[in-house]
Amino acid sequence: QAVLTQPASLSASPGASVSLTCTLRSGINVAAYRIHWYQQQPGSPPHYLLNYKSDSDKHQGSGVPSRFSGSKDASANVGILFISGLQSEDEADYYCMIWHNSAAFFGGGTKLTVL
Amino acid sequence: VQLQEAGPGLVKPSETLSLSCNVSGGSMSSYYWSWFRQPPGKGLEWLGYIYYSGNTKYSPSLKSRLTISIDTSKNLFSMKLTSVTTADTAIYFCAGVLVGQTIFDSWGQGALVTVTS
Repeated sequence: QAVLTQPASLSASPGASVSLTCTLRSGINVAAYRIHWYQQQPGSPPHYLLNYKSDSDKHQGSGVPSRFSGSKDASANVGILFISGLQSEDEADYYCMIWHNSAAFFGGGTKLTVL
Repeated sequence: VQLQEAGPGLVKPSETLSLSCNVSGGSMSSYYWSWFRQPPGKGLEWLGYIYYSGNTKYSPSLKSRLTISIDTSKNLFSMKLTSVTTADTAIYFCAGVLVGQTIFDSWGQGALVTVTS
């Protein structure tokens, strides 16, 4: 079972809000981890967006709009990237990542389509 | 800091894939330096990292085939992946994480390596 699982795709309309989820493998407690989120446009390397551990321990990437935010759902063992006011340029692949036992693990990525 | 991958774009099956990452604009001792790969149309995979001291950490899935090294005098770090197969065809990225941080905020543009006979 993968360390991090993301839905393969998601679509939404311009102006809408979406929640991208990142489910941690059973036995890896989301409360203990800092969830990082990266955006990747076609033909480019990943771009760091933000990370979230708690409401008092989070970091927004330089120049990343505040309409991108992170949270967790501890009951579901899930990290969440919330994007409000979707814009066409938000269409991209989104990856969650954690450091676990000093190794970096990525989710499989969610392709977000803005249509 | 700027990073640039370099190396052959084609490698034969069973041979060794070698890439280097040239670093400019930053101190080699300030970062942990990592390698990643992304098969065409697929997701990201972290391969491992090295610190300027030579300490390394590898992905469990590649540990037996991967070696990462560093040459601080030349401002570069490198990777070698042995016994490649077509499954190793991917875009390979290098990136850095500032010591004490957890964020990959400096990335190379990536280098496509195709394993083919």
